[in-house]
Amino acid sequence: GAVVSQHPSRVICKSGTSVKIECRSLDFQATTMFWYRQFPKQSLMLMATSNEGSKATYEQGVEKDKFLINHASLTLSTLTVTSAHPEDSSFYICSAYLGSTDTQYFGPGTRLTVL
Amino acid sequence: GNSVTQMEGPVTLSEEAFLTINCTYTATGYPSLFWYVQYPGEGLQLLLKATKADDKGSNKGFEAIYRKETTSFHLEKGSVQVSDSAVYFCALSGNTPLVFGKGTRLSVIA
Repeated sequence: GAVVSQHPSRVICKSGTSVKIECRSLDFQATTMFWYRQFPKQSLMLMATSNEGSKATYEQGVEKDKFLINHASLTLSTLTVTSAHPEDSSFYICSAYLGSTDTQYFGPGTRLTVL
Repeated sequence: GNSVTQMEGPVTLSEEAFLTINCTYTATGYPSLFWYVQYPGEGLQLLLKATKADDKGSNKGFEAIYRKETTSFHLEKGSVQVSDSAVYFCALSGNTPLVFGKGTRLSVIA
């Protein structure tokens, strides 16, 4: 149980375009999901906390207008990278929080490459 | 604020060697403690967890004990395999988002 999926797993886009990444909790409901960014050989950097039915809480230094987060249901959160630039290229990972176990379960990640 | 410190890597071991990855934490209250593992090109997988002092988390031969007196949660495995090669993250959480250590890269050679 406690499976989280992400789609797509890999995306290549042109500079200036927008990309949407989906994060789904497949077998549980998650009122809270998190979005992380990971640079090569580094730890995860929390970008934002996504709460179902309310606005996301962004970490300091993360542009909310560039990284749009929508948590439309208890099983789906989306991250849209708007007007992507090469410096946005990274590995993006989501997680979903299951309160009954006080545990975050992670998706497999999305590799974004902006040309 | 809360923080996690884990030993710097990389760690290189021969197959069947004993593994210890140290992790210490600073936290207010009584956080849950976790070890996550990340295989190349993948997301994080929960390896084990402990929710209160003296709890032992264990999975796939790995184990860690929640030590409140030493604020530690060291990861151990008695005999590592090549397939254990990955990056291991220690983390803690209470009522806040996970706080991660920097990760320890483990390479196991045959």
